[in-house]
Amino acid sequence: GENVEQHPSTLSVQEGDSAVIKCTYSDSASNYFPWYKQELGKRPQLIIDIRSNVGEKKDQRIAVTLNKTAKHFSLHITETQPEDSAVYFCAASLTKLVFGQGTRLTINP
Amino acid sequence: NAGVMQNPRHLVRRRGQEARLRCSPMKGHSHVYWYRQLPEEGLKFMVYLQKENIIDESGMPKERFSAEFPKEGPSILRIQQVVRGDSAAYFCASANGLAGADTQYFGPGTRLTVL
Repeated sequence: GENVEQHPSTLSVQEGDSAVIKCTYSDSASNYFPWYKQELGKRPQLIIDIRSNVGEKKDQRIAVTLNKTAKHFSLHITETQPEDSAVYFCAASLTKLVFGQGTRLTINP
Repeated sequence: NAGVMQNPRHLVRRRGQEARLRCSPMKGHSHVYWYRQLPEEGLKFMVYLQKENIIDESGMPKERFSAEFPKEGPSILRIQQVVRGDSAAYFCASANGLAGADTQYFGPGTRLTVL
């Protein structure tokens, strides 16, 4: 079955700097790669997603890149703000979502 | 995603009791997924249902756990004879089922505590 590895597990950056979180997946059949943000005690919220026929997608300060050959995808957050502090999860999917272990992102003012 | 409803939001049970968790998908969504999140951990897939059908239950323990999504009413995840290790947040997500890999929107979760 699918296996998703996510790195780093914790990430601390200065406000205004960029943050990058990376994930690898094992099943080449996976064709959908969402990223979720989860604040403490809250539900996971979709922030951006990409499908396997696209290499890059951007939405304001957030971008995701996908390398199907290498089976890895990354989340890029630019101009980070304190409200970006949360746990971020990547996932890979053919039908069900298989999640990475999560990255706790802290933005230092 | 505010449209996915789960209740109760918090549930306390003693060991050996039954826990029943409900999920109402977003309007127009016919696919429901259940995930479990242990404290400080990621989300683990449990079961995928469409109306009146279990499509994939590969993540659900074989004993004590069952799920259904009837023709009318919410999807229900049932845990019989709960044990302390069942304490977790249980999230459901729904999708519209129009594409092979659909965007899933999560409900607020049910936090189960087993005493």
